[in-house]
Amino acid sequence: NAGVTQTPKFQVLKTGQSMTLQCAQDMNHNSMYWYRQDPGMGLRLIYYSASEGTTDKGEVPNGYNVSRLNKREFSLRLESAAPSQTSVYFCASMRDETYEQYFGPGTRLTVT
Amino acid sequence: GDSVTQMEGPVTLSEEAFLTINCTYTATGYPSLFWYVQYPGEGLQLLLKATKADDKGSNKGFEATYRKETTSFHLEKGSVQVSDSAVYFCALRLGAGNMLTFGGGTRLMVKP
Repeated sequence: NAGVTQTPKFQVLKTGQSMTLQCAQDMNHNSMYWYRQDPGMGLRLIYYSASEGTTDKGEVPNGYNVSRLNKREFSLRLESAAPSQTSVYFCASMRDETYEQYFGPGTRLTVT
Repeated sequence: GDSVTQMEGPVTLSEEAFLTINCTYTATGYPSLFWYVQYPGEGLQLLLKATKADDKGSNKGFEATYRKETTSFHLEKGSVQVSDSAVYFCALRLGAGNMLTFGGGTRLMVKP
């Protein structure tokens, strides 16, 4: 039981490049989330998916797109990376019965 | 809107000292409350939770009591260890929604 996995762990991009962050969970959870964590800012919700086939914007969605590929996988895409998107990105899933969120290990992204 | 306020860090303590990290919330209803812990280089992990007024959550020697009258959920531990050094996040979930609102996090450093 791996929980929530994320790839890659580290990434460096140049301004304007695109990339997709991958996330998968093996706990059969319906809800999945993408957060970014900046120094001194805590966690901010980018997008979430309440169930397979649905996605909704969170607090800071601009510059990002998401895909809920199936129940297990929820990807985050940066179409044209900007230095302001330098951050640590966390994926999470939620257990419906208890509303507890389970987090992946994070992706540290640097945009130069 | 709903919000969570945590004490500013870092909090620096000596081993075996008593710990309190303050958390207060603003919400229109009666939220469920959580404490998450983030160890260096890792994702967040659920530490404890409480779902109704006067409930006490506890885990690994940490405790927090849901105080509706003061809208607070302060985290306490009687004797901290070096291994407790981490960032602690208070969070709330309101009503039937499946999103969490996080505080800004409080860094705890415990010195031997």
